[in-house]
Amino acid sequence: DTGVSQNPRHKITKRGQNVTFRCDPISEHNRLYWYRQTLGQGPEFLTYFQNEAQLEKSRLLSDRFSAERPKGSFSTLEIQRTEQGDSAMYLCASSHTRDRSPAGNTIYFGEGSWLTVV
Amino acid sequence: AQKITQTQPGMFVQEKEAVTLDCTYDTSDQSYGLFWYKQPSSGEMIFLIYQGSYDEQNATEGRYSLNFQKARKSANLVISASQLGDSAMYFCAMREGGSGTYKYIFGTGTRLKVLA
Repeated sequence: DTGVSQNPRHKITKRGQNVTFRCDPISEHNRLYWYRQTLGQGPEFLTYFQNEAQLEKSRLLSDRFSAERPKGSFSTLEIQRTEQGDSAMYLCASSHTRDRSPAGNTIYFGEGSWLTVV
Repeated sequence: AQKITQTQPGMFVQEKEAVTLDCTYDTSDQSYGLFWYKQPSSGEMIFLIYQGSYDEQNATEGRYSLNFQKARKSANLVISASQLGDSAMYFCAMREGGSGTYKYIFGTGTRLKVLA
């Protein structure tokens, strides 16, 4: 079973450009999450999907951010008109609602996509 | 408000020795879960161990154990027999509510360096 896959792993972009990150969750995981992590901080929740439905968005997710999961499998996170403050690592995670482990619904993360806005 | 506090920005430990990474939390919920994740330099967050708020026994997973003190609201991670590969950032996280809850709150992490 492959883990959560994210690409690109690194992206350097000029301020004002648009960027898109892709996440492929663990096969058959029906929940998918996006988190953002800046230097010296832990991950912060951005948004979450159950199947193709986006069920919650954090107030951290400004109007310039949009996430989709069109077929309930992979997801994309697009940032429009990037700003230097968007520089961070964007982590994707997935889980399954029928996780029968003691933790139940443990989320498993990908390796993240590093964004640098110059 | 929910909060996770990790007061140790960095820790050193000699190879083969045990080390404790501190984590305290704040929640008003009765049902919650506590997690530890390891983040090596590659960036991936690796799930290590879980403790449920109603679990009476401390969780263990191989060389990892969680020292859960509910009254003190602490969930310290103990790594026994440290290995060089344990050098990484370690994050404590909390999930409020039951397993249907999706939002995790993370602390700021502790950077562990294992010395040869």
